[in-house]
Amino acid sequence: EDQVTQSPEALRLQEGESSSLNCSYTVSGLRGLFWYRQDPGKGPEFLFTLYSAGEEKEKERLKATLTKKESFLHITAPKPEDSATYLCAVQETSGSRLTFGEGTQLTVNP
Amino acid sequence: DGGITQSPKYLFRKEGQNVTLSCEQNLNHDAMYWYRQDPGQGLRLIYYSQIVNDFQKGDIAEGYSVSREKKESFPLTVTSAQKNPTAFYLCASSIGTPPDYEQYFGPGTRLTVT
Repeated sequence: EDQVTQSPEALRLQEGESSSLNCSYTVSGLRGLFWYRQDPGKGPEFLFTLYSAGEEKEKERLKATLTKKESFLHITAPKPEDSATYLCAVQETSGSRLTFGEGTQLTVNP
Repeated sequence: DGGITQSPKYLFRKEGQNVTLSCEQNLNHDAMYWYRQDPGQGLRLIYYSQIVNDFQKGDIAEGYSVSREKKESFPLTVTSAQKNPTAFYLCASSIGTPPDYEQYFGPGTRLTVT
């Protein structure tokens, strides 16, 4: 059974204070690892897909990396508008369904 | 604009009533999904469909039913058999074929049953 664990559950940063969110996963064969951003009361917004260990992707202040056991979402010099819950999900090679972690709630104070 | 629409945004029902949540997409995606999200929790898969007239149970299908008569539409019925129906329901779709497996989500429907 696929498992996804995200840490920390909540993270509070000052504006400009860089940090990382962690997503540890267990899957029989990884097709892809997905990062989403979710604002309160809204649907998740797709950010990145990572397919193989060593892969990195960037978007504005966000950078996602992947190893064989975990993924990191690095946030560089965050701004208050980066405050959201960040969700990680994995997809097995054998199917189309995603297994989600419980998310990290990020708050960036001005 | 292409996207996924869910209606209504808020839905209130009395216990014992069935209720149907709408999900429509104009992205020409083959695959569609229904998730449930409870406060402070991740998304749990209810049902998914990879092609018209076919669907599979997810992890928490008991008390729910779906249909996929058209590519664009994947309605979810929450039946009276669902013990704790109050939740935030999210519909998603994806192309579902290489190399594009990412899922795109609608805005969600918040269902409250009293």
